[in-house]
Parts: sequence; structure tokens; C-alpha cells
Amino acid sequence: SQQGEEDPQALSIQEGENATMNCSYKTSINNLQWYRQNSGRGLVHLILIRSNEREKHSGRLRVTLDTSKKSSSLLITASRAADTASYFCDYSGGSNYKLTFGKGTLLTVNP
Amino acid sequence: DAMVIQNPRYQVTQFGKPVTLSCSQTLNHNVMYWYQQKSSQAPKLLFHYYDKDFNNEADTPDNFQSRRPNTSFCFLDIRSPGLGDAAMYLCATTRQGGTDTQYFGPGTRLTVL
Repeated sequence: SQQGEEDPQALSIQEGENATMNCSYKTSINNLQWYRQNSGRGLVHLILIRSNEREKHSGRLRVTLDTSKKSSSLLITASRAADTASYFCDYSGGSNYKLTFGKGTLLTVNP
Repeated sequence: DAMVIQNPRYQVTQFGKPVTLSCSQTLNHNVMYWYQQKSSQAPKLLFHYYDKDFNNEADTPDNFQSRRPNTSFCFLDIRSPGLGDAAMYLCATTRQGGTDTQYFGPGTRLTVL
């Protein structure tokens, strides 16, 4: 798969605020996935959006995809302290077994 | 119930002393991966198995080896650990790869003295 780049690298907000992070990529994709990693733990899959989708929701998460700009955004609404984590994006082709992550966005939600 | 299990969670070894990290899965997935993640960096894929087929990344050092004796288990062997190999090692699985979700274990934190 090709690498996605997340932006910003770090984000600090207050509990209850919304957090938006972005991912840009370089070539055409079949889908894009977002993962979360709590400090010192493994990654957890959050959401997958396919190239023919523009927006997808899962609970307090909203993901958008703009294939013309080769970018995706992850919005976390009404953030909680437990949302404090690093967030990574990756995109891969249907026959590619690999994920390759960008450096991620470190989100800190202050109580 | 834990689906991807890594043992031990913390491993301390001495410079140059071989070490083996273990990963097991209860998902019966075909594909198993090993990633290395250094502090404040993204996970970096070392290699993966599709069933018994081993796929090494081009930039994975020869110091790192892997074994998959059966569907459930996969091992990471570091033959002569250096100080630069201190990192979190993450195991992950997918059913078929590609667009399938990857399920990660909690990781093994390796310290090299």
C-alpha cells in the first residue's frame, strides 16, 4: 500500500470540543482506513471508507473522503479524555496485503 | 476474549543475546504481520505471512527472522539485538489481507541493555 500522511502531527483540545485531523495521499486508492493507538498499546481499527464513498459515520466519528484532492478527514465530535491517542491513516489496494502508516496525529483531550 | 495475544508484554535482553517474541491468534486468519514501532513513530512493517508464504520487506534487517509453525502462532526472532532494536513490536492479523481490517495485539516492549 502507499503511505498516507496525517496532519496536524499534534492536536490538543478541551473535553467536549471537536477534533479534526487530516490525511493526504499520493496515488489512487480503493479505500482508506483510520486506526487509533492508545499509548503503549496496539492499534485499533476505527473505520474504513471506500473510494466511491464521500462520507461515513460511526458513533461520534465522521470520515470524509475527497478523491479529487486525495485527502480524507477524521472528525471526532464531543471529544472525551478517553479519545486521547494517536490516529493513523492508511490506504491500500484490494490485492495488497500490507498497511503502511504515516506518522500519525497525536490527539490530547484535556479534561 | 483476546483475539491476538502477544507474549511477553515486556522483554528485556542484553546486547547481542537472541530473543524470541511470540504472537498467537484465535481468529483463524490467513495473514499475520510483524511491525516495529519506535517511540513517537509510525509502525513499520517488517514482514508478513500469508498462510505459510513468507514475505519480507526489502529494508528489514537480516537480524530479524520469523517463523510460523501453524495458523495460530507466529514468532519474531531477533538474532543479535542491538540498542537500535529497542522498540514496541506489534503483531497483527487479517482474514485475507487487502481491504480486510487488521487486528492488532497489545505489543511487546523490547528493551536492550
